[in-house]
Amino acid sequence: DTGVSQNPRHKITKRGQNVTFRCDPISEHNRLYWYRQTLGQGPEFLTYFQNEAQLEKSRLLSDRFSAERPKGSFSTLEIQRTEQGDSAMYLCASRGTGYSSYNEQFFGPGTRLTVL
Amino acid sequence: QKEVEQNSGPLSVPEGAIASLNCTYSDRGSQSFFWYRQYSGKSPELIMFIYSNGDKEDGRFTAQLNKASQYVSLLIRDSQPSDSATYLCAVEGSGGYNKLIFGAGTRLAVHP
Repeated sequence: DTGVSQNPRHKITKRGQNVTFRCDPISEHNRLYWYRQTLGQGPEFLTYFQNEAQLEKSRLLSDRFSAERPKGSFSTLEIQRTEQGDSAMYLCASRGTGYSSYNEQFFGPGTRLTVL
Repeated sequence: QKEVEQNSGPLSVPEGAIASLNCTYSDRGSQSFFWYRQYSGKSPELIMFIYSNGDKEDGRFTAQLNKASQYVSLLIRDSQPSDSATYLCAVEGSGGYNKLIFGAGTRLAVHP
């Protein structure tokens, strides 16, 4: 499978616990995005990596959230001291470089987080 | 004002009819526009993109863009029950890095 993969697909945690999600982008894609989607809403941008550099973070990304892409390949998103309001689908997307007919962001299947 | 606005629906159409989905956006600097389809519990799947004013057709789908009116639409011809999903309009932000700004989506229900 050469698409974007995310693990785990589902995570249930208790309030106050830390969680970490992983995203493996399409191998030749150097651009990686994290989005969060709550019920009835469209995805909201969280952060962007170009290779290993984190170039943009949304105001939505509070101090409890941290993301890394240490070798410019896979990325992790960690949420510390989870709150019930963090319950959402966390989506990862990747995109290739340069200009082409398609500048599509390919989405992974998402990680659904439930904070009890 | 939200950056990307869509009617939440549901938009109910009979099988075989044309479904018309609309979207307005606020950033006049936006250059790229996308329609994603999202089935319940699944991630968004790109079905159309458009960069230039006018119409773009792909199979049963036609995207329409009017930058002067800041308006994007998606027409689905010969609607099928399998088209029942939420359709998300996304606009590429003009601020760089190509992040997508999504509307809340329109739920489409195609009934037999």
